[in-house]
Amino acid sequence: QSVLTQPPSVSGAPGQRVTISCTGSSSNIGAGYDVHWYQQLPGTAPKLLIYGNSNRPSGVPDRFSGSKSGTSASLAITGLQAEDEADYYCQSYDSSSWVFGGGTKLTVL
Amino acid sequence: EVQLVESGGGLVQPGGSLRLSCAASGFTFSSYWMHWVRQAPGKGLVWVSRINSDGSSTSYADSVKGRFTISRDNAKNTLYLQMNSLRAEDTAVYYCAREGVDIVATRLASYYYYYMDVWGKGTTVTVSS
Repeated sequence: QSVLTQPPSVSGAPGQRVTISCTGSSSNIGAGYDVHWYQQLPGTAPKLLIYGNSNRPSGVPDRFSGSKSGTSASLAITGLQAEDEADYYCQSYDSSSWVFGGGTKLTVL
Repeated sequence: EVQLVESGGGLVQPGGSLRLSCAASGFTFSSYWMHWVRQAPGKGLVWVSRINSDGSSTSYADSVKGRFTISRDNAKNTLYLQMNSLRAEDTAVYYCAREGVDIVATRLASYYYYYMDVWGKGTTVTVSS
């Protein structure tokens, strides 16, 4: 059971917009800790996608955006492409530990 | 090129020990805090441990506290994870990751963000009799 809750799966057609939620509590996201997002393509290592709630590392397309409000955060992907099919993880901080969400599998229909 | 390469994984019996290594290159290893993160087969990412830049401060997930020890040799640009009293539930791919930091300044304040910005490809640990 992950401290941060994500939907197990989301899907969308090419060109559409999808969002992935990450729900925490008053001891992690709600306490003001930042949320970061990682993308894990099939069979590969995770890759940093969004840091500090809404900042994109260089090289990450602006189709990816993040936001945070209260005890939750969201990752939005616009203009969905086939290569976006992957697992997505949110990550924050709680009780002296770094914590991840359970992950969301994005399927591009 | 910034790179992390893990090694040392393998098959070990329950109760056994294993030491993982993570060789860093392309950046000043001694300036960065480092992490170990694991992923059981078909499961999500789980944070395991963290060490500061000079090795004087460490932290662990409750699930490995007292059994795993993180350490580093800055002269060799290498991160380690000593795993003792291994259990079946420790079976996973183990990734090392660099902790990056960014400072975002606004008109009112500066914000410091800490995140895992560079990951290795992982090494597989299987605990089974």
